[in-house]
Amino acid sequence: DAEITQSPRHKITETGRQVTLACHQTWNHNNMFWYRQDLGHGLRLIHYSYGVQDTNKGEVSDGYSVSRSNTEDLPLTLESAASSQTSVYFCASSEDRPDGTQYFGPGTRLLVL
Amino acid sequence: GENVEQHPSTLSVQEGDSAVIKCTYSDSASNYFPWYKQELGKRPQLIIDIRSNVGEKKDQRIAVTLNKTAKHFSLHITETQPEDSAVYFCAASGGSNYKLTFGKGTLLTVNP
Repeated sequence: DAEITQSPRHKITETGRQVTLACHQTWNHNNMFWYRQDLGHGLRLIHYSYGVQDTNKGEVSDGYSVSRSNTEDLPLTLESAASSQTSVYFCASSEDRPDGTQYFGPGTRLLVL
Repeated sequence: GENVEQHPSTLSVQEGDSAVIKCTYSDSASNYFPWYKQELGKRPQLIIDIRSNVGEKKDQRIAVTLNKTAKHFSLHITETQPEDSAVYFCAASGGSNYKLTFGKGTLLTVNP
């Protein structure tokens, strides 16, 4: 069955370190998204991609970057981790339709000390 | 850009009662409105969605209504059960834009 996975599921890091969160989907979806979830803020879009070599900034993109070298993967990099980036991160993917369902990965819980 | 407001932020009901969650959106071009359910420690999952050419959609105990003129849509859950307890998110997107803008969520608690 097609699925979307994230790794690691839990991560503890120190302020200033570079961190990369992986997202892999086997749906063959062109659209992929990264969100962060914080209490009181819901799901906020960090970056998104509509295909290979395409990346776009979301509403909370500062301090984050993504790259899309193939259809299946959209890794999220925190260039220099900050305590404000402690959060739960969700990756999602969808078909190329405005009403395409977004399927979410299981999430990565990141703690920056 | 799109802005989605969701109310209430918390809702507590007795088992068997109905629950209603309301959302408003700002972009008149939005035409797709999904609802997601997120259980504690789990990923958000789509439970129902509605498109702008439809005013109401039902799926068993769940229904969604859309008023495009007023730019608001609502989730209705009837005969609530303890397993309905979760956080519910509304969202909106439109046109050729595949992005979803989410509301901040409603924590629904169904008391046995």
